[in-house]
Amino acid sequence: EIVLTQSPGTLSLSPGERATLSCRANESVSSNYLAWYQQKPGQTPRLLIYSALIRATGIPDRFTGSGSGTDFTLTIARLEPEDFAVFYCHQYGNSPLTFGGGTKVEIK
Amino acid sequence: QVVLVQSGAEVKKSGASVRVSCKAAGYTFTGSYIHWVRQAPGQGLEWMGWINPNNGGTFYAQKFHDRVTLSRDTSTNTAYMDLTSLTSDDTGVYFCAKSIRFLIESWGQGTLVTVSS
Repeated sequence: EIVLTQSPGTLSLSPGERATLSCRANESVSSNYLAWYQQKPGQTPRLLIYSALIRATGIPDRFTGSGSGTDFTLTIARLEPEDFAVFYCHQYGNSPLTFGGGTKVEIK
Repeated sequence: QVVLVQSGAEVKKSGASVRVSCKAAGYTFTGSYIHWVRQAPGQGLEWMGWINPNNGGTFYAQKFHDRVTLSRDTSTNTAYMDLTSLTSDDTGVYFCAKSIRFLIESWGQGTLVTVSS
């Protein structure tokens, strides 16, 4: 099974700052089938990025995915107040599918 | 549009079983896999397994392999998740989700399962 390790666990930033979230896999993710989701309290996860770098429909261009193989990054260029949430990476290239443990982006 | 409507909250005793349903609408039910994902209180997302509604084929995460059964009823466009031998560690919100190939892109609203001793 592919294990995804996200870092940092918590990121404390101010609105307008840049956020850089990391997701590292213990083996190569097939076809770079790596997605990022945002989840706010009491809500279902929202798909942001798939295939490592493709923005989902309606996702603002301040969200950028990058990386390949075992190392992936989600960058939020300038944090808006509505961006503060928990972010999960997820690999769907191999069954069992797996999620990372999450990175919480909180207001500093 | 795609809509996944899950059954209501459940309260179970340790050792019991639970069934959660997920009724799909707005797309061809047999054309997309259904996944089940669990989230314990204050914790992250945990993938449990998938079912291919077209042929009933399933794949389970090793952690749940002995206790979970995924099924579907194509006459009602409904998927089911059965989990047996419940313990307090099974308390959490259970989501069904639809994927395009294996990319999860639509979620049910979640079903809270509470297991008490």
